[in-house]
Amino acid sequence: GAGVSQSPRYKVTKRGQDVALRCDPISGHVSLYWYRQALGQGPEFLTYFNYEAQQDKSGLPNDRFSAERPEGSISTLTIQRTEQRDSAMYRCASSLVGGSGNTIYFGEGSWLTVV
Amino acid sequence: QKEVEQDPGPLSVPEGAIVSLNCTYSNSAFQYFMWYRQYSRKGPELLMYTYSSGNKEDGRFTAQVDKSSKYISLFIRDSQPSDSATYLCAMKEGGATNKLIFGTGTLLAVQP
Repeated sequence: GAGVSQSPRYKVTKRGQDVALRCDPISGHVSLYWYRQALGQGPEFLTYFNYEAQQDKSGLPNDRFSAERPEGSISTLTIQRTEQRDSAMYRCASSLVGGSGNTIYFGEGSWLTVV
Repeated sequence: QKEVEQDPGPLSVPEGAIVSLNCTYSNSAFQYFMWYRQYSRKGPELLMYTYSSGNKEDGRFTAQVDKSSKYISLFIRDSQPSDSATYLCAMKEGGATNKLIFGTGTLLAVQP
C-alpha cells in the first residue's frame, strides 16, 4: 500500500478484555516496529521485527503484551486482560531494511481506550 | 531520569522568526540522531537524520549534534505557520539495533 495502515483506528474496550491491533506495513518493507504514544509524549518503543523474526521485545511492558508477524508482512499486537493504563495511541512503523540510515515511516495509529 | 530530555513547550513565535529546538541525552552510545515532525492527529514524519557529531542543512532546517555535550538542536529559519506542529527528537545506538528513543516532543506554534 501507499503507507502504513493500521486498524482499527479507534477501539474502546472494557477492562479485562483482550484486544488485537493490526498493522499492514508498506509493501516490501522488511522491518516493522510497534510504538506506544501517550498524550503529550513521544513514541515509546515496544518491539520490532525483521521479516517474521522478532528482533527486540524489550519495550513490551509485561507479559500481557505480545506481537507477531507470522509471514513477514502484516503484524498483530495483542493485549490480553486490558487495564485502564493500557489506554494510549499504538503506532506501527516500517522501514525498507533494518539498520542505520533507513527512514522509518509511521502509520496514523490505533487509539485504544480501556473503560 | 529519562534517556532523552526535551522541553515540551509550547513555543510560540511570529512568522519569519528563527526557531531553536533542543534535546539532551544521557546515553553516550547514541550515534544516530533524528528530528521528526508530527502534525495533530498524524504519525511522526522524518525531517532530518544525522550520524554522529556535526551539522546538516536541508532548506530552512539545520540539525546540529554535539556529542561531547550530549546535546542536539534543530533550527528552523524563516518559520511559517505551516511549521506549526510537535517536533520530536529521536536517537539510536550504533550496531544492529533499530530501537529509537524519542523525546517528549516540543509543541511549536508559528503565528501569522
